[in-house]
This record gives sequence, structure tokens and C-alpha cells, in this order.
Amino acid sequence: EAGVTQSPTHLIKTRGQQATLRCSPISGHTSVYWYQQALGLGLQFLLWYDEGEERNRGNFPPRFSGRQFPNYSSELNVNALELEDSALYLCASSYGGTGGVYGYTFGSGTRLTVV
Amino acid sequence: EDQVTQSPEALRLQEGESSSLNCSYTVSGLRGLFWYRQDPGKGPEFLFTLYSAGEEKEKERLKATLTKKESFLHITAPKPEDSATYLCAVQSNNAGNNRKLIWGLGTSLAVNP
Repeated sequence: EAGVTQSPTHLIKTRGQQATLRCSPISGHTSVYWYQQALGLGLQFLLWYDEGEERNRGNFPPRFSGRQFPNYSSELNVNALELEDSALYLCASSYGGTGGVYGYTFGSGTRLTVV
Repeated sequence: EDQVTQSPEALRLQEGESSSLNCSYTVSGLRGLFWYRQDPGKGPEFLFTLYSAGEEKEKERLKATLTKKESFLHITAPKPEDSATYLCAVQSNNAGNNRKLIWGLGTSLAVNP
């Protein structure tokens, strides 16, 4: 069974540009979560998508946005990049629905560097 | 407010020296507690899910336990390959966000040969 896949693995952008990160969940998972992990820091929750809808958003500015496609894959867009956006961006997936207790399966991440 | 605190922040052990990592939590009703392992530059890898106080789970040299206020990850006779950051997360009964996990900052474990 394929795991959560993220692309690209590494991304280098210039300040002010836009970055697009992609994530494909495990087959059967309908929820996708995005996290930012700056060097040496903890996981900061960005966004949660379930069944194509944004369910929850972390404390990040509006230039962080995303969407989930009908096949449950997702993309994260970061506009007007700033140097402090440099981080490892992690995508995770889980089964959907409001009941149940489901752990997340993480991808290997996209390392975004803003210069 | 739901909160997860892990201690210590960092731990250095000699190979074979057993120890425990702590995860204390305050949540509005616990649905589940998760332990993950994260290697540098990689995504967290799932280890265990615990659901209720008194529950224990084991995997190789790792054993996770749960009480009403905290969880412990016991590492028995660790090896250098156990070196990683260990993350704890909880899922609460908060009706509006019962799928979002609350994460601790992790314990960075280094095992010297």
C-alpha cells in the first residue's frame, strides 16, 4: 500500500514568490492535514481538509491557503513568500468522519527554502 | 484549553540504559493519545495509540502506558538506532475539532554506543 506522498521534496523560492506543495493521501483516507515545522520547532497546524471542505485552520495568515480535490489529494499554496516561511511542510492523512479515533499517517515532507 | 507537555526536552542515554519519556495532557475528554517517532528532516512515524487509562502497548524496546493525566514511553535497553525525537499527541472530545490532534513539542533522544 502506498503511503502519503508529497511533492516536491525540496523547493527553493525567492521572497515574494508563490509556492505550491502537493500531497496524495493513503487510499481510503479522506482527511488531509497540513503542518509547518520550522527548524528545531514543533508541529504547527496549518489546515485540515475533509471531503473536499476546509474543516479547520490554524493561526496562519490568509496567504497560506489550500484545497482538496475530488480524489482527496490536496495542495497547499503560500503566496508572497517571506524568509520565515522556510520550513519543512508536512502533510498527513487519516480516515474521515466525525466519529472514531484515527491516528495520522505522515508524508516525508517538502523542505521549502525562501531566499 | 487542550494542552500537551512533554518532558524532558532532550535526553541522552548510553546504549542499554533504560529510561522513560513523559507526556502530560489536559484535554476536555480524551478520545485517544498517540506516540510518534520523528527522524531529522522526515515525517513523524506512528508508534502507538492508547485509548483509556491503564492501557499498555509494546513494540520491540518501546512500551507506552496511559493514566488519566499522563502517558509514559518506556525505552528498555535502547540502541543507537532509537535516537530520534518522540512526539506525543492527543485527540479530545472537543465537538468542534474532534479530529485535530494536539501536539507536544517532543523529546529529543540520543543514544550513545
